[in-house]
Amino acid sequence: SQELEQSPQSLIVQEGKNLTINCTSSKTLYGLYWYKQKYGEGLIFLMMLQKGGEEKSHEKITAKLDEKKQQSSLHITASQPSHAGIYLCGAKNSGGSNYKLTFGKGTLLTVNP
Amino acid sequence: NAGVTQTPKFRILKIGQSMTLQCTQDMNHNYMYWYRQDPGMGLKLIYYSVGAGITDKGEVPNGYNVSRSTTEDFPLRLELAAPSQTSVYFCASRPPGQGIMTEAFFGQGTRLTVV
Repeated sequence: SQELEQSPQSLIVQEGKNLTINCTSSKTLYGLYWYKQKYGEGLIFLMMLQKGGEEKSHEKITAKLDEKKQQSSLHITASQPSHAGIYLCGAKNSGGSNYKLTFGKGTLLTVNP
Repeated sequence: NAGVTQTPKFRILKIGQSMTLQCTQDMNHNYMYWYRQDPGMGLKLIYYSVGAGITDKGEVPNGYNVSRSTTEDFPLRLELAAPSQTSVYFCASRPPGQGIMTEAFFGQGTRLTVV
């Protein structure tokens, strides 16, 4: 089945700094989700990328999908303490089990004021 | 809008006890999922369903059972609870996309501790 590897596993940045989180798939990507989770809470939908080359932005968060590299990146500009949390990427499985949604292990982001 | 509702929010079970985690969605979504999230880890798929009467195993189905008698409900049953099942459980649903991705909606989670 499809596996998603996120890097880095954890990240500590100073408020105001830019950062990038990567998500690499073991199989062809047919689209990808990005979710954010605050500790002990549910998942908040950030964005969904449907096709290669697609780029979406929401406030200071931008995500891109590179189908050839089987990879997506999430970039935060001028980070704020409110950006802290766990970022999870998820993808629809390719092939016969394309109803399944697989998620990475997450990237824990800490933003120091 | 209720979305995906999970009950209970918290539960402590003794080893060997059984329980059912409830999940209901009011969006008429065909696809529903159960995940578990262990501390410091991502989501692992336990079971999923593509419609009423149809369920299938995910990555970690052992020790769990599901049923899908209606479109709205997708309960997860734990038989003979073990400490290894201590986790946070999330239910999710999404509409079919006919080849394209659709947004997955998550419940707020059930925090289960087995002692």
